[in-house]
Amino acid sequence: EPEVTQTPSHQVTQMGQEVILRCVPISNHLYFYWYRQILGQKVEFLVSFYNNEISEKSEIFDDQFSVERPDGSNFTLKIRSTKLEDSAMYFCASTRQGSSYEQYFGPGTRLTVT
Amino acid sequence: QKEVEQNSGPLSVPEGAIASLNCTYSDRGSQSFFWYRQYSGKSPELIMSIYSNGDKEDGRFTAQLNKASQYVSLLIRDSQPSDSATYLCAVLTGANNLFFGTGTRLTVIP
Repeated sequence: EPEVTQTPSHQVTQMGQEVILRCVPISNHLYFYWYRQILGQKVEFLVSFYNNEISEKSEIFDDQFSVERPDGSNFTLKIRSTKLEDSAMYFCASTRQGSSYEQYFGPGTRLTVT
Repeated sequence: QKEVEQNSGPLSVPEGAIASLNCTYSDRGSQSFFWYRQYSGKSPELIMSIYSNGDKEDGRFTAQLNKASQYVSLLIRDSQPSDSATYLCAVLTGANNLFFGTGTRLTVIP
């Protein structure tokens, strides 16, 4: 069964550094999402992406964040200058166009900013 | 301000019993609802989706939706210790992203 994959599983970085989190969505899916979950808190929407552009973004997704689909398979989230409060699990999700919008999540990347 | 409310628990049930998980939402225009299971340290795993009023059954799981009361529930029959997890209620927004509740932690006691 196809799955969303994410790399790395754990990323440790120093405050102010740039990080890139990578995702490979399910191959026939066309809508892609990033969510994050701070430890002990709820899952929060960051951004959605369709047809090579951002569809929607939350208040969390400020100018420090960007997304890209550099090729036909990868979907990346970049944080330009990480802050301590960016420490969280970051989940990529995808869904098929015209489906019931069931979103399937990847295993996540644990980002630790020190 | 969208709200999805869940009792944080923990909810403890004996093995073999029915676990009942509840969720209310504030946006009356919401049409699509989802239950995810999240084991500690893992990602959300889709269990059920429901779009119409009434019940939807899948194996040991039954989702119930009442749009008039803005209420969604998940029943787990014949609960197993492996069902012990946090159950997340999620509502699809008009922008087609998911708005999650804080989750209910379920413990099934052998």
